[in-house]
Amino acid sequence: SQQGEEDPQALSIQEGENATMNCSYKTSINNLQWYRQNSGRGLVHLILIRSNEREKHSGRLRVTLDTSKKSSSLLITASRAADTASYFCATEDRGSTLGRLYFGRGTQLTVWP
Amino acid sequence: DAGITQSPRHKVTETGTPVTLRCHQTENHRYMYWYRQDPGHGLRLIHYSYGVKDTDKGEVSDGYSVSRSKTEDFLLTLESATSSQTSVYFCATEMGNEQFFGPGTRLTVL
Repeated sequence: SQQGEEDPQALSIQEGENATMNCSYKTSINNLQWYRQNSGRGLVHLILIRSNEREKHSGRLRVTLDTSKKSSSLLITASRAADTASYFCATEDRGSTLGRLYFGRGTQLTVWP
Repeated sequence: DAGITQSPRHKVTETGTPVTLRCHQTENHRYMYWYRQDPGHGLRLIHYSYGVKDTDKGEVSDGYSVSRSKTEDFLLTLESATSSQTSVYFCATEMGNEQFFGPGTRLTVL
């Protein structure tokens, strides 16, 4: 399977703490993306990092990419109860022109007030 | 949800019956996708489309067919529903390397 794998499967923290989620994948990629899914809703795009980038920031989100280890991490700083959701990484294979993504199984993040 | 609607939102059907799920977008995006989401499996691609009448199979396409006669509509058909097709189905479009998802259809096959 070309699916990525998130780790941990579940993460429970207090408001104000940082949350770190990891993603490993198997193939050479064009880019890696992170999505959030609130309960009962569709996925929402958070951030994209290209294969030639090592780190990217967006607000309280920080994403790193290590193509030699085929891994990525998503850091959410100063978490809030509203960050409670499932987080998925998705990869686009190198050379793909059709936007096809391979999603991992997700990390369920719970942030307690 | 970036102008993507799915219908129906919920459906219960019986084994062996045909089912069609509809995805409608107002963004004029060229690429569209159908995924299913199951516990322990994440999202898996069923079929995708890269233009009107241009479709291809994803990783779990057996038992499913699709059609795209207009840019805005992408239909997913289960010719003869089975209990293993009980799932939540998501439609998505793509623009600029970002995918936009619909709200999902929860399908139960009894």
